[in-house]
Amino acid sequence: DAKTTQPTSMDCAEGRAANLPCNHSTISGNEYVYWYRQIHSQGPQYIIHGLKNNETNEMASLIITEDRKSSTLILPHATLRDTAVYYCIVSRGGSNYKLTFGKGTLLTVNP
Amino acid sequence: DSGVTQTPKHLITATGQRVTLRCSPRSGDLSVYWYQQSLDQGLQFLIQYYNGEERAKGNILERFSAQQFPDLHSELNLSSLELGDSALYFCASSVVWTGGAETQYFGPGTRLLVL
Repeated sequence: DAKTTQPTSMDCAEGRAANLPCNHSTISGNEYVYWYRQIHSQGPQYIIHGLKNNETNEMASLIITEDRKSSTLILPHATLRDTAVYYCIVSRGGSNYKLTFGKGTLLTVNP
Repeated sequence: DSGVTQTPKHLITATGQRVTLRCSPRSGDLSVYWYQQSLDQGLQFLIQYYNGEERAKGNILERFSAQQFPDLHSELNLSSLELGDSALYFCASSVVWTGGAETQYFGPGTRLLVL
């Protein structure tokens, strides 16, 4: 699986958009970009995934650059409950693929 | 609530002992993954089962073993426990989307403390 690089930490004001970047310059054509988050000591939570196109769901938007070497997770209106460690993971599709978690980005949403 | 359940929530035991952690996947999910999260190692994949069969192994110690039963629940057995086995243990079940992407849904975890 391709390696990802994320900032160690970021701050965001409550109500503002949080934009979390991820670099995955060695991504291959059949690898998806997944985002998960982990709120302190809880189980990781799936947020969104994408292959080539931008994606949006009720939690977030995922913007993938045309060359697929980087992506940005956007939380449109961050709340205090969005404070968590956010993991960007690149992995092939199909069943039976383990997730390789890096250190992620600690997003702190401030009042 | 992910739909994945884990018991017990907390476990305190002594070195040298053996414990069993239990996981029930979401209804209909055939895969179960086990992960260990310790302070210094982050989230590490241990092992995966699919419909009762072992599919993939990660950084799982020989003292640890797992199985998945016909009703699809899974158990992770940890034996000859050491202080360093103190960690959060998560299980996850997964869904494969049309197109091939797979997303995992994690349980709340079992916090193991070895004294």
